[in-house]
Formats: sequence, C-alpha cells, structure tokens
Amino acid sequence: GAVVSQHPSRVICKSGTSVKIECRSLDFQATTMFWYRQFPKQSLMLMATSNEGSKATYEQGVEKDKFLINHASLTLSTLTVTSAHPEDSSFYICSALLAGGTDTQYFGPGTRLTVL
Amino acid sequence: GDSVTQMEGPVTLSEEAFLTINCTYTATGYPSLFWYVQYPGEGLQLLLKATKADDKGSNKGFEATYRKETTSFHLEKGSVQVSDSAVYFCALRRMDSNYQLIWGAGTKLIIKP
Repeated sequence: GAVVSQHPSRVICKSGTSVKIECRSLDFQATTMFWYRQFPKQSLMLMATSNEGSKATYEQGVEKDKFLINHASLTLSTLTVTSAHPEDSSFYICSALLAGGTDTQYFGPGTRLTVL
Repeated sequence: GDSVTQMEGPVTLSEEAFLTINCTYTATGYPSLFWYVQYPGEGLQLLLKATKADDKGSNKGFEATYRKETTSFHLEKGSVQVSDSAVYFCALRRMDSNYQLIWGAGTKLIIKP
C-alpha cells in the first residue's frame, strides 16, 4: 500500500528556535498533502492544505508566518515551525492524497514536537 | 458547521466480545464517511468508508452503515481480538472540500485477553 513517512519522529528544541518536519510519500506521487495538529485526547485539527508547486492554503486561525509549508515536489512537503514556543508543543501529522486516485488520504506516523 | 461526534473512550472489552463505537455527524448534503484506525506507534490507516446513504463499508471484520435518517455511521465488529486494540477515528469529507476531512475525537479501544 501507499506509504508516507515523517522525519523526525520526535524532536525537542529550545524556545525561539525553528524546527523543520519532513513528510514524504515513498511509493507514490502526491499532488496534495495535508498537515494536521493533534492535541492529547483530541481529534486532528487541519492546519493547512499543501498543493505541489503552489502556496499552501491555511485554515482559519493558523499563522502562516509561523507554520511555513513548502511542497516543492510530488513526494515531499515540509512544515517549518518558526520561533517555536512551548505552546507549539504538539503531535504533527501529515497525509498525502494519491495523485489521480480516490479520495483516500495516506497518513504519516506523526512527529512529536516538544519545545522547552 | 460540519462536525463529527463519537463516543468517548477508552472502551475496554474482553476478547471475542461484540464491539460498537458510535459516530454521529452534522453536515449539509451527502458527505462521504470514514473510519480510520491508529495502531500504537503507527500512522492513521483507512479502515472503511461509505460514500452514500445506506452504503455499508466493511474491512477486517469491521462494518459501518451510512444512515442518513439518523446521521450515524456506527462501527461494529462481531468478535474483537487483542490485535484490534487501537484508537478509532470517525471522519467525514465535506462535499465542497478539496478532500478535507472533519474528524471525531477518537475512541481508544482496549481488548483484554
């Protein structure tokens, strides 16, 4: 089946630094990728929709200058949390839509970000 | 706006018990409905889906029927196994969306041998 990877799986950083999270579709091309944030015991919150070669579409309330998304190729999207603060600590999950396929999203395993 | 409500967990059952995880939704039109499963340490996986009223999705012994009259999509399995222990998410795809999903809060299922 379609596999999506995320790197790193866990990251701890100091307040004020930036962290980049990579999302890769390993065996398929994805024209659209999604970035989610998941709080403990809560559902996934969609942060942004990323289309290859164009600017990401951010959901209401998500700061686009803080959460930079780049979808430079059909197999890679990156999320950069800039000037991270403790309140940015969370579980970040990406998903990818198979290009030309059905409406099934394939999910990465997630990245646990802890900001000290 | 559109929303999904599912029963709170954790749900703890013995092996071979019957499972029901309730899911109801609020949406305009006829959204597609999904159940995703997240096993420990793994990413979310599509378990089953239904795209129109009265459709039944099924996979790995799990079933869910799209009930428009009750706006529900309850997940059922006749005999659960320890390996079914995971977190289950109900979700809908808005008709006017670019494949965006609206998620329930997730239900943790614990199966004891």
